[in-house]
Amino acid sequence: DTGVSQNPRHKITKRGQNVTFRCDPISEHNRLYWYRQTLGQGPEFLTYFQNEAQLEKSRLLSDRFSAERPKGSFSTLEIQRTEQGDSAMYLCASSLMGQGAVYEQYFGPGTRLTVT
Amino acid sequence: AQKVTQAQTEISVVEKEDVTLDCVYETRDTTYYLFWYKQPPSGELVFLIRRNSFDEQNEISGRYSWNFQKSTSSFNFTITASQVVDSAVYFCALTRGSARQLTFGSGTQLTVLP
Repeated sequence: DTGVSQNPRHKITKRGQNVTFRCDPISEHNRLYWYRQTLGQGPEFLTYFQNEAQLEKSRLLSDRFSAERPKGSFSTLEIQRTEQGDSAMYLCASSLMGQGAVYEQYFGPGTRLTVT
Repeated sequence: AQKVTQAQTEISVVEKEDVTLDCVYETRDTTYYLFWYKQPPSGELVFLIRRNSFDEQNEISGRYSWNFQKSTSSFNFTITASQVVDSAVYFCALTRGSARQLTFGSGTQLTVLP
């Protein structure tokens, strides 16, 4: 049983550089979510996809953040011109989609970003 | 707006003690879902339970039990006979019936001492 995978697991970058993270969801899951988690806090929602459509992106932290899911399978999250405040754990989750039903989200191990 | 409050930041118990983690939520929706997740030191969030707003039955799964009370907007989690492996951060989360993103509380760090 393959869970949600994320790559890389750790990323150290210098301020001003661009970074891209990848998420591979559970294969039969239509929905894919991105969250950010800072130390001592719960995950904070960023955006989500239903198949290849990005249905909610108003919570992306700034226009430096963007996400794609081009073929409705894996997704990428890009941060341009990174800032030290972007240092956090970036979590991906996936879930089933049902008519009027809400299913639990399964999370990947996360990508820890450190901006120096 | 939705909000989840986990007032207990840290709890420490001795193995075999029972422990209850509190969760209080705020929402204006009549249809919503509540969740508990566990985040062990390895970091990966593990799903524990989902409950919808129309089902107030308490649930027991092994040493875990959950008490959902709409009257007090609470969804508390009890671990019976705690074990060292239960040491983790536990998060309560909420989503609206029509929305898809989870709103998390700030978590409770549980430490079970041998």
